[in-house]
Amino acid sequence: QVQLQESGPGLVKPSETLSLTCAVSGYSISSGYYWGWIRQPPGKGLEWIGSIYHSGSTYYNPSLKSRVTISVDTSKNQFSLKLSSVTAADTAVYYCARTTVVTPRYFDYWGQGTLVTVSS
Amino acid sequence: EIVMTQSPATLSVSPGERATLSCRASQSVSSNLAWYQQKPGQAPRLLIYGASIRATGIPARFSGSGSGTEFTLTISILQSEDFAVYYCQQYNNWPLTFGPGTKVDIK
Repeated sequence: QVQLQESGPGLVKPSETLSLTCAVSGYSISSGYYWGWIRQPPGKGLEWIGSIYHSGSTYYNPSLKSRVTISVDTSKNQFSLKLSSVTAADTAVYYCARTTVVTPRYFDYWGQGTLVTVSS
Repeated sequence: EIVMTQSPATLSVSPGERATLSCRASQSVSSNLAWYQQKPGQAPRLLIYGASIRATGIPARFSGSGSGTEFTLTISILQSEDFAVYYCQQYNNWPLTFGPGTKVDIK
């Protein structure tokens, strides 16, 4: 059974960088699939942030691309998100998820999500 | 960017009844559409992909239809555990985009 678990600070100051990691168990990232990040502001809908393949190939949402870096560490079977210059608008539950093989498409396994609040 | 809209925003249904949810894309997404269910405090769960293919373990009472710009999710006989928010998502073009959701609540 594929399981994903997000980790990272729950509170980030404005203008700083948000950093999260997603640990994957039950499946080797090196075996394939794209892996991605999605966020959900409190009480609102879902926004795709970006996705990465084990080779390092990435797709980013253009609305966030200038501030986002997604990386993968196959030795630790995990991938990470960095979002720079955060503001209160970046306060959200951040989910990591597995997407499909050829290109990022739909998401079949999700982490439980982690709330990140941007506040001084 | 493809904009997804969903209607209605809220659907009040009695247990045992049928629920029909709509999703519309601002341009054709072919059959590259997924549906998710989200309950409070939980991550979304994949229900349907390819507009009509049920994901692993999803009960047969959930069905999806449509192509192009108009899509429907039908829950044939609502169970108590089906009261939740439902999102559609297109994956025909990047960026991947989601609809705003339809909340199915108890009438």
